[in-house]
Amino acid sequence: GAVVSQHPSWVICKSGTSVKIECRSLDFQATTMFWYRQFPKQSLMLMATSNEGSKATYEQGVEKDKFLINHASLTLSTLTVTSAHPEDSSFYICSARAVGAVYNEQFFGPGTRLTVL
Amino acid sequence: AQSVTQPDIHITVSEGASLELRCNYSYGATPYLFWYVQSPGQGLQLLLKYFSGDTLVQGIKGFEAEFKRSQSSFNLRKPSVHWSDAAEYFCAVGARSGNKLVFGAGTILRVKS
Repeated sequence: GAVVSQHPSWVICKSGTSVKIECRSLDFQATTMFWYRQFPKQSLMLMATSNEGSKATYEQGVEKDKFLINHASLTLSTLTVTSAHPEDSSFYICSARAVGAVYNEQFFGPGTRLTVL
Repeated sequence: AQSVTQPDIHITVSEGASLELRCNYSYGATPYLFWYVQSPGQGLQLLLKYFSGDTLVQGIKGFEAEFKRSQSSFNLRKPSVHWSDAAEYFCAVGARSGNKLVFGAGTILRVKS
Protein backbone atom coordinates (compact mmCIF):
# COMPACT_ATOMS: atom_id res chain seq x y z
CA GLY A 1 0.00 0.00 0.00
CA ALA A 2 0.83 3.73 -0.04
CA VAL A 3 2.24 3.86 -3.54
CA VAL A 4 2.98 7.14 -5.27
CA SER A 5 3.74 7.30 -8.97
CA GLN A 6 5.21 10.03 -11.11
CA HIS A 7 4.97 10.53 -14.83
CA PRO A 8 7.09 10.88 -16.78
CA SER A 9 10.12 9.31 -15.14
CA TRP A 10 12.36 11.39 -17.34
CA VAL A 11 11.87 14.16 -19.86
CA ILE A 12 14.12 16.14 -22.18
CA CYS A 13 12.83 19.41 -23.56
CA LYS A 14 14.03 22.47 -25.38
CA SER A 15 14.64 25.74 -23.63
CA GLY A 16 11.51 27.89 -23.54
CA THR A 17 9.01 25.04 -23.56
CA SER A 18 6.79 23.98 -20.68
CA VAL A 19 6.82 20.59 -19.05
CA LYS A 20 4.14 18.99 -16.91
CA ILE A 21 4.92 16.35 -14.30
CA GLU A 22 2.17 14.28 -12.71
CA CYS A 23 2.15 12.86 -9.21
CA ARG A 24 -0.48 10.28 -8.31
CA SER A 25 -1.32 8.45 -5.13
CA LEU A 26 -2.36 5.04 -6.42
CA ASP A 27 -3.97 3.34 -3.46
CA PHE A 28 -4.82 6.13 -1.05
CA GLN A 29 -6.21 9.61 -1.05
CA ALA A 30 -3.87 12.47 -0.34
CA THR A 31 -5.01 15.75 1.13
CA THR A 32 -1.54 17.14 0.86
CA MET A 33 1.16 16.62 -1.72
CA PHE A 34 4.65 18.02 -1.70
CA TRP A 35 7.07 18.85 -4.47
CA TYR A 36 10.80 18.64 -3.92
CA ARG A 37 13.77 19.41 -6.06
CA GLN A 38 17.05 17.60 -5.79
CA PHE A 39 20.26 18.79 -7.39
CA PRO A 40 23.04 16.29 -8.07
CA LYS A 41 24.70 15.08 -4.91
CA GLN A 42 22.47 17.27 -2.77
CA SER A 43 19.55 16.80 -0.48
CA LEU A 44 15.88 17.35 -1.19
CA MET A 45 14.65 20.90 -1.07
CA LEU A 46 10.96 21.48 -0.55
CA MET A 47 9.54 23.65 -3.31
CA ALA A 48 5.88 23.79 -2.43
CA THR A 49 3.04 22.19 -0.55
CA SER A 50 -0.26 21.64 -2.29
CA ASN A 51 -3.60 20.91 -0.72
CA GLU A 52 -6.45 19.50 -2.72
CA GLY A 53 -8.71 22.24 -4.01
CA SER A 54 -6.63 25.17 -2.85
CA LYS A 55 -3.62 27.14 -3.94
CA ALA A 56 -0.19 25.77 -3.31
CA THR A 57 2.09 27.24 -0.68
CA TYR A 58 5.53 27.95 -2.08
CA GLU A 59 8.76 28.00 -0.16
CA GLN A 60 10.80 31.15 -0.05
CA GLY A 61 12.75 31.70 -3.22
CA VAL A 62 10.58 29.44 -5.41
CA GLU A 63 8.92 31.29 -8.28
CA LYS A 64 5.25 30.44 -8.25
CA ASP A 65 4.77 31.68 -11.81
CA LYS A 66 7.50 29.42 -13.05
CA PHE A 67 6.53 26.31 -11.14
CA LEU A 68 2.77 25.98 -11.43
CA ILE A 69 1.20 23.46 -9.10
CA ASN A 70 -2.31 22.11 -9.38
CA HIS A 71 -3.90 19.65 -6.95
CA ALA A 72 -7.26 19.07 -8.55
CA SER A 73 -8.16 15.80 -6.89
CA LEU A 74 -7.27 13.72 -3.87
CA THR A 75 -5.05 11.49 -5.98
CA LEU A 76 -3.39 13.83 -8.46
CA SER A 77 -1.09 16.81 -8.28
CA THR A 78 0.76 18.31 -11.22
CA LEU A 79 3.85 20.46 -11.45
CA THR A 80 4.30 22.50 -14.61
CA VAL A 81 7.68 24.02 -15.26
CA THR A 82 6.91 26.97 -17.52
CA SER A 83 9.37 28.37 -20.03
CA ALA A 84 11.99 25.92 -18.88
CA HIS A 85 15.66 26.83 -19.00
CA PRO A 86 18.78 24.72 -18.53
CA GLU A 87 19.07 25.83 -14.90
CA ASP A 88 15.71 24.14 -14.26
CA SER A 89 17.28 20.78 -15.07
CA SER A 90 16.98 18.72 -11.94
CA PHE A 91 15.40 15.71 -10.30
CA TYR A 92 11.87 16.48 -9.15
CA ILE A 93 10.29 14.29 -6.49
CA CYS A 94 6.76 14.42 -5.17
CA SER A 95 5.37 13.00 -1.98
CA ALA A 96 1.90 12.57 -0.55
CA ARG A 97 0.35 12.60 2.88
CA ALA A 98 -2.73 10.43 3.32
CA VAL A 99 -6.14 11.75 4.28
CA GLY A 100 -6.61 11.43 8.00
CA ALA A 101 -2.97 10.70 8.66
CA VAL A 102 -2.21 11.36 12.28
CA TYR A 103 1.49 11.48 11.85
CA ASN A 104 3.55 13.58 9.51
CA GLU A 105 4.44 10.71 7.21
CA GLN A 106 4.97 11.23 3.53
CA PHE A 107 5.14 8.62 0.78
CA PHE A 108 7.50 9.46 -2.03
CA GLY A 109 7.27 9.00 -5.75
CA PRO A 110 10.16 7.65 -7.83
CA GLY A 111 11.11 11.07 -9.16
CA THR A 112 11.24 12.74 -12.57
CA ARG A 113 14.51 13.66 -14.23
CA LEU A 114 14.13 16.89 -16.21
CA THR A 115 16.79 17.90 -18.68
CA VAL A 116 16.40 21.21 -20.47
CA LEU A 117 18.57 21.66 -23.55
CA ALA B 1 12.58 25.90 12.88
CA GLN B 2 13.84 22.37 12.70
CA SER B 3 17.12 21.33 11.13
CA VAL B 4 18.98 18.10 10.53
CA THR B 5 22.70 17.43 10.47
CA GLN B 6 24.27 14.35 8.97
CA PRO B 7 27.95 14.85 9.75
CA ASP B 8 29.28 12.18 7.40
CA ILE B 9 29.04 12.88 3.68
CA HIS B 10 30.59 9.53 2.72
CA ILE B 11 31.08 6.33 4.65
CA THR B 12 32.77 3.18 3.39
CA VAL B 13 32.37 -0.13 5.17
CA SER B 14 33.31 -3.66 4.34
CA GLU B 15 30.61 -6.12 3.50
CA GLY B 16 29.57 -7.91 6.67
CA ALA B 17 30.77 -5.13 8.95
CA SER B 18 28.49 -3.14 11.18
CA LEU B 19 27.22 0.30 10.21
CA GLU B 20 26.18 3.42 12.04
CA LEU B 21 25.03 6.57 10.27
CA ARG B 22 24.75 9.65 12.40
CA CYS B 23 21.88 12.10 12.50
CA ASN B 24 21.43 15.05 14.82
CA TYR B 25 18.40 17.26 14.78
CA SER B 26 17.43 20.62 16.16
CA TYR B 27 13.86 21.09 17.26
CA GLY B 28 12.19 22.59 20.29
CA ALA B 29 10.05 19.59 21.10
CA THR B 30 9.96 15.90 20.32
CA PRO B 31 9.82 15.61 16.55
CA TYR B 32 8.84 12.91 14.17
CA LEU B 33 12.01 11.30 12.83
CA PHE B 34 12.58 9.34 9.66
CA TRP B 35 15.31 7.56 7.76
CA TYR B 36 15.01 7.19 4.01
CA VAL B 37 17.23 5.43 1.49
CA GLN B 38 17.73 6.52 -2.10
CA SER B 39 19.39 4.47 -4.83
CA PRO B 40 20.86 6.39 -7.79
CA GLY B 41 18.15 7.93 -9.94
CA GLN B 42 15.40 6.65 -7.71
CA GLY B 43 12.93 8.10 -5.26
CA LEU B 44 13.05 7.71 -1.52
CA GLN B 45 12.16 4.56 0.34
CA LEU B 46 11.22 4.77 3.99
CA LEU B 47 13.47 2.62 6.18
CA LEU B 48 11.96 3.43 9.55
CA LYS B 49 10.28 6.13 11.57
CA TYR B 50 9.93 7.28 15.15
CA PHE B 51 6.77 8.88 16.42
CA SER B 52 6.62 7.95 20.09
CA GLY B 53 7.08 5.07 22.50
CA ASP B 54 10.04 2.72 22.35
CA THR B 55 13.11 4.71 21.44
CA LEU B 56 14.68 1.80 19.56
CA VAL B 57 12.90 1.48 16.25
CA GLN B 58 13.13 -1.45 13.89
CA GLY B 59 12.86 -0.94 10.18
CA ILE B 60 13.08 -2.78 6.92
CA LYS B 61 16.16 -4.50 5.52
CA GLY B 62 17.55 -5.16 8.98
CA PHE B 63 18.00 -1.50 9.92
CA GLU B 64 17.29 -0.01 13.30
CA ALA B 65 17.59 3.45 14.80
CA GLU B 66 17.65 4.79 18.32
CA PHE B 67 16.12 8.07 19.39
CA LYS B 68 18.19 9.74 22.09
CA ARG B 69 16.48 12.84 23.33
CA SER B 70 19.40 13.95 25.49
CA GLN B 71 21.70 13.94 22.48
CA SER B 72 19.12 15.08 19.91
CA SER B 73 20.19 12.15 17.82
CA PHE B 74 18.56 9.45 15.73
CA ASN B 75 21.41 7.28 14.48
CA LEU B 76 20.80 4.49 12.00
CA ARG B 77 22.46 1.12 12.54
CA LYS B 78 22.80 -2.22 10.86
CA PRO B 79 24.77 -5.12 12.36
CA SER B 80 25.98 -6.58 9.05
CA VAL B 81 26.05 -4.60 5.84
CA HIS B 82 25.32 -6.17 2.47
CA TRP B 83 26.63 -4.91 -0.86
CA SER B 84 23.06 -4.02 -1.84
CA ASP B 85 22.93 -1.49 0.99
CA ALA B 86 25.17 0.86 -0.99
CA ALA B 87 23.02 3.96 -1.52
CA GLU B 88 22.42 7.39 -0.09
CA TYR B 89 20.70 7.71 3.25
CA PHE B 90 18.69 10.68 4.40
CA CYS B 91 17.56 11.53 7.88
CA ALA B 92 14.48 13.75 8.12
CA VAL B 93 12.63 15.53 10.89
CA GLY B 94 9.03 16.66 10.91
CA ALA B 95 7.21 18.90 13.32
CA ARG B 96 4.27 17.34 15.12
CA SER B 97 2.10 20.29 14.32
CA GLY B 98 2.97 20.75 10.69
CA ASN B 99 3.31 19.06 7.35
CA LYS B 100 6.86 19.72 6.35
CA LEU B 101 9.82 17.41 6.48
CA VAL B 102 13.31 18.80 6.69
CA PHE B 103 16.03 16.59 5.30
CA GLY B 104 19.67 16.27 6.18
CA ALA B 105 22.31 16.54 3.50
CA GLY B 106 22.54 12.78 3.16
CA THR B 107 25.25 10.19 3.70
CA ILE B 108 26.54 8.14 0.80
CA LEU B 109 27.30 4.59 1.85
CA ARG B 110 29.85 2.58 -0.09
CA VAL B 111 30.28 -1.11 0.59
CA LYS B 112 33.55 -2.78 -0.28
CA SER B 113 33.90 -6.48 -0.76
